Amino acid sequence: DVKVTQSSRYLVKRTGEKVFLECVQDMDHENMFWYRQDPGLGLRLIYFSYDVKMKEKGDIPEGYSVSREKKERFSLILESASTNQTSMYLCASRRRQGALDAEAFFGQGTRLTVV
Amino acid sequence: AQRVTQPEKLLSVFKGAPVELKCNYSYSGSPELFWYVQYSRQRLQLLLRHISRESIKGFTADLNKGETSFHLKKPFAQEEDSAMYYCALNEGPSGTYKYIFGTGTRLKVLA
Repeated sequence: DVKVTQSSRYLVKRTGEKVFLECVQDMDHENMFWYRQDPGLGLRLIYFSYDVKMKEKGDIPEGYSVSREKKERFSLILESASTNQTSMYLCASRRRQGALDAEAFFGQGTRLTVV
Repeated sequence: AQRVTQPEKLLSVFKGAPVELKCNYSYSGSPELFWYVQYSRQRLQLLLRHISRESIKGFTADLNKGETSFHLKKPFAQEEDSAMYYCALNEGPSGTYKYIFGTGTRLKVLA
């Protein structure tokens, strides 16, 4: 009953490469999120989307962009990967209606290493 | 500014001992708060939400608006409670809610 799927569990990329992280959800949720998880810093919001083709910057959007062409898919793009983007990336989705107490469902995470 | 503070990075307790994971928040409106948990090699998942006033796996959390706190408690810790715990605050206009997470507390329950 996997609900949020991230395309890769582990990824190793070189500095300067363009990196795509893909996330797909099967719950017909309007809202989708990309977080970065680092020890001691918790989860920090990179970008989120509350509808197809809609996006808003989170707390740490620099160096990242996103794409939401279809409701079920939310992609995170690292335009030019740098070593300080080595991290665990988490995708999440959440319904919009009655969303005040709605649960967020998370993917399994993508551990990205930039060398 | 909206903020969630979890002052402890690591909390170690012995099995059977009481557990309290601290969470303090700063929010200008009426807060909606959650606890999420991540067990080893598993996804981050919802543990409980304050609006439901529920008890999950023996854990409870009470919203204290006077102290702006939402501490997570369990009277008798079990080894399987060892995990990373995150406190989260709902933020945003209706329909576009997003979470503000704390930095997390790692709970280790010792045998």
